[in-house]
Amino acid sequence: NAGVTQTPKFQVLKTGQSMTLQCAQDMNHEYMSWYRQDPGMGLRLIHYSVGAGITDQGEVPNGYNVSRSTTEDFPLRLLSAAPSQTSVYFCASSPDRGAREKLFFGSGTQLSVL
Amino acid sequence: AQSVSQHNHHVILSEAASLELGCNYSYGGTVNLFWYVQYPGQHLQLLLKYFSGDPLVKGIKGFEAEFIKSKFSFNLRKPSVQWSDTAEYFCAGGSSNTGKLIFGQGTTLQVKP
Repeated sequence: NAGVTQTPKFQVLKTGQSMTLQCAQDMNHEYMSWYRQDPGMGLRLIHYSVGAGITDQGEVPNGYNVSRSTTEDFPLRLLSAAPSQTSVYFCASSPDRGAREKLFFGSGTQLSVL
Repeated sequence: AQSVSQHNHHVILSEAASLELGCNYSYGGTVNLFWYVQYPGQHLQLLLKYFSGDPLVKGIKGFEAEFIKSKFSFNLRKPSVQWSDTAEYFCAGGSSNTGKLIFGQGTTLQVKP
């Protein structure tokens, strides 16, 4: 059972480049989400999804797009990378779409934008 | 607006001291509350959660938290900390209506041996 798989683990981008962070879970969880973690700011919610075909904005959605075409996958797209998007990104899933159960986290992607 | 705030950003304690970390939330509807811990270089782990029932919740590693609705608080407590409790602690709150789960800014706990 792989759990939540994030790729890549590390990425360096130049300002203006685009890329997609991949996230997949094999636990049939309805709820999936993306957070970014920055020192002193905790985890901030970027986007989340309560099921296939349903996505919603979190606290800091600007500059990021998501889609949820299947239950398993929830990719995060950076449209035009900026230095302010340098961060560690975590994907998480949960079996409960009402956020009543614990989150299962991926191992994170460390992104640097130069 | 939905928010979670943690008052203490950095706490330093000696071993055997008692711990209380503050967490306040603001939600309009039914709220689900969590405390997570992140040890250096590791993923977040769930310490405890509350979404209904007894407002005093016991979690792993001797931690507990009390949901006080009138104060919008969910403070984390431990009667006697150990050096191994050195970590970053995050409070999180979610809305059952929307599924949106927000984290606080985190509190770094340093326990001196």
